[in-house]
Amino acid sequence: RKEVEQDPGPFNVPEGATVAFNCTYSNSASQSFFWYRQDCRKEPKLLMSVYSSGNEDGRFTAQLNRASQYISLLIRDSKLSDSATYLCVVNYGGYQKVTFGTGTKLQVIP
Amino acid sequence: DTGVSQDPRHKITKRGQNVTFRCDPISEHNRLYWYRQTLGQGPEFLTYFQNEAQLEKSRLLSDRFSAERPKGSFSTLEIQRTEQGDSAMYLCASSLVPGLTRMGETQYFGPGTRLLVL
Repeated sequence: RKEVEQDPGPFNVPEGATVAFNCTYSNSASQSFFWYRQDCRKEPKLLMSVYSSGNEDGRFTAQLNRASQYISLLIRDSKLSDSATYLCVVNYGGYQKVTFGTGTKLQVIP
Repeated sequence: DTGVSQDPRHKITKRGQNVTFRCDPISEHNRLYWYRQTLGQGPEFLTYFQNEAQLEKSRLLSDRFSAERPKGSFSTLEIQRTEQGDSAMYLCASSLVPGLTRMGETQYFGPGTRLLVL
């Protein structure tokens, strides 16, 4: 089983739709969680950190479920500019490295 | 631009040649990471530095790979005797972590060096 798993998609959604991605992780000792966004042939950029209490940033909401070992990202009112690959990132407290998922591709359609 | 920079942006080489990539992190960032990314995959951790000390190396980093960060600022990643399987995007990221915290921190990525081994 991979340490961090994501549905690769693609998720094709119309503008204005709400879309949600999940990411599961295998190590229960994981301590920090992030969502990064990566545009085609560009570097990853931090979208948001994920806290136990959940957090929201505009149209984006991130949730953490430790019991089931997954994190989620919800995007409301999708924009064309949201089209990208969304990478789930997990950090294990005992190590300094982070582990990336393979990413979920989102395509917002006019 | 005070972000992470990488040089070169693209490199084409023949199998068996050595290549060296450079990464300049954000000024005063004490951590520097190297990742490799292939098409359709997320970045895979290779190694990281805390200041000039290389603290962890992935098993992906064979003995043909070596990384240095001699003065705790810029870093180089060298691949010796390149193989076609080394073709990938090599990403560098930096972060600022106060003290000895073991918690995750925000990493800022450079634009990457795209390597093609013929």
